[in-house]
Amino acid sequence: DADVTQTPRNRITKTGKRIMLECSQTKGHDRMYWYRQDPGLGLRLIYYSFDVKDINKGEISDGYSVSRQAQAKFSLSLESAIPNQTALYFCATSDSHHGLLGEQFFGPGTRLTVL
Amino acid sequence: GNSVTQMEGPVTLSEEAFLTINCTYTATGYPSLFWYVQYPGEGLQLLLKATKADDKGSNKGFEATYRKETTSFHLEKGSVQVSDSAVYFCALSARGDSNYQLIWGAGTKLIIKP
Repeated sequence: DADVTQTPRNRITKTGKRIMLECSQTKGHDRMYWYRQDPGLGLRLIYYSFDVKDINKGEISDGYSVSRQAQAKFSLSLESAIPNQTALYFCATSDSHHGLLGEQFFGPGTRLTVL
Repeated sequence: GNSVTQMEGPVTLSEEAFLTINCTYTATGYPSLFWYVQYPGEGLQLLLKATKADDKGSNKGFEATYRKETTSFHLEKGSVQVSDSAVYFCALSARGDSNYQLIWGAGTKLIIKP
């Protein structure tokens, strides 16, 4: 079984709709991250959480919100989706030690299309 | 500020060719450096890493040496295979950065033809 899972894997929605992407992990890591990937732009950090009570904005948090429901669960919401949020979204985890060294473990991604 | 620049792709090679993907960085402090690989339809996974100058990271036949004098961390492989076709990302994490964020390059798509 995968250590970091994301649901859904693919989603097509319309402008203005509220969307939630979910991430679960069985690695026991305390740190979780949400990234988006756009062609030619690499990965950009949206939000990150170092533990259940800690939520931090990343590079591109506008238009997004997150919830850390438990150590193992970290969800990303688009309150009112717009077409330029069409992208591939990745959840990642790390533990305190690996976070220091930079090693993160990624889910398989969610491909979101906003029409 | 911190940044990573890697060569644009796609890079197309024949099987058994020698591979180099260039990566240079700008960072304050003493960064750790990483190469991640993304196979088609999958998430990223760590390929190799180096945490201090002159360290060499290696895995699956790939190597990269942390060169502080040239601020580079180029990825090399002596003989590529079709199964190496993927997108490769260079990244840095500045030691001592309280946020412990990874700074990513834009990725280089590698296509290996049989």
